[in-house]
Amino acid sequence: AQTVTQSQPEMSVQEAETVTLSCTYDTSESDYYLFWYKQPPSRQMILVIRQEAYKQQNATENRFSVNFQKAAKSFSLKISDSQLGDAAMYFCAYRSKNRDDKIIFGKGTRLHILP
Amino acid sequence: GAGVSQSPRYKVAKRGQDVALRCDPISGHVSLFWYQQALGQGPEFLTYFQNEAQLDKSGLPSDRFFAERPEGSVSTLKIQRTQQEDSAVYLCASSLFDGGYSNQPQHFGDGTRLSIL
Repeated sequence: AQTVTQSQPEMSVQEAETVTLSCTYDTSESDYYLFWYKQPPSRQMILVIRQEAYKQQNATENRFSVNFQKAAKSFSLKISDSQLGDAAMYFCAYRSKNRDDKIIFGKGTRLHILP
Repeated sequence: GAGVSQSPRYKVAKRGQDVALRCDPISGHVSLFWYQQALGQGPEFLTYFQNEAQLDKSGLPSDRFFAERPEGSVSTLKIQRTQQEDSAVYLCASSLFDGGYSNQPQHFGDGTRLSIL
């Protein structure tokens, strides 16, 4: 079975600085998706970024980028130029590619932005 | 366009009562997922529908949990004889179906926060 581990329950970063959230996962599959989701207090799950396992190039979305290390099964999220609106819970997640499958989430990292 | 709609947004029930939570997926979305999110945790999968067919219910924690999607659109998650450990946020997500390659993103609703007293 696949698992996703986030070892940082909480992190803080100064506004305009850069922060990296860590994630490791375990799977025996060779092709899959990895995600980072943001969940503000409104509870809605917002997709931040998606990485396909067979693509070696790290995904980027504006101020958000990932460091995907497939052999190490590591998938970290870097947020540059942190803004107050980035404060939220961030979940790392995994999804098998070869079937219409559920998403497996980590336990989350709560990110605080310090003004 | 309209997103995934869940109702009620909050539900308070006494232990032992039955509750029903509703999910209105995005129009045309074939796939529908239910997740349970305990306080301070990540969401955990409960069950999956493809149209009206419930293809995976491996995440339902007990036989007190029941989900249906009779016409392949709106889905209801029912919890019978509620217990305190059922307190959680229940999230619904829907997506288009691409032949089973998980390429279509799941769109999440805002969830129902269930509190059992």
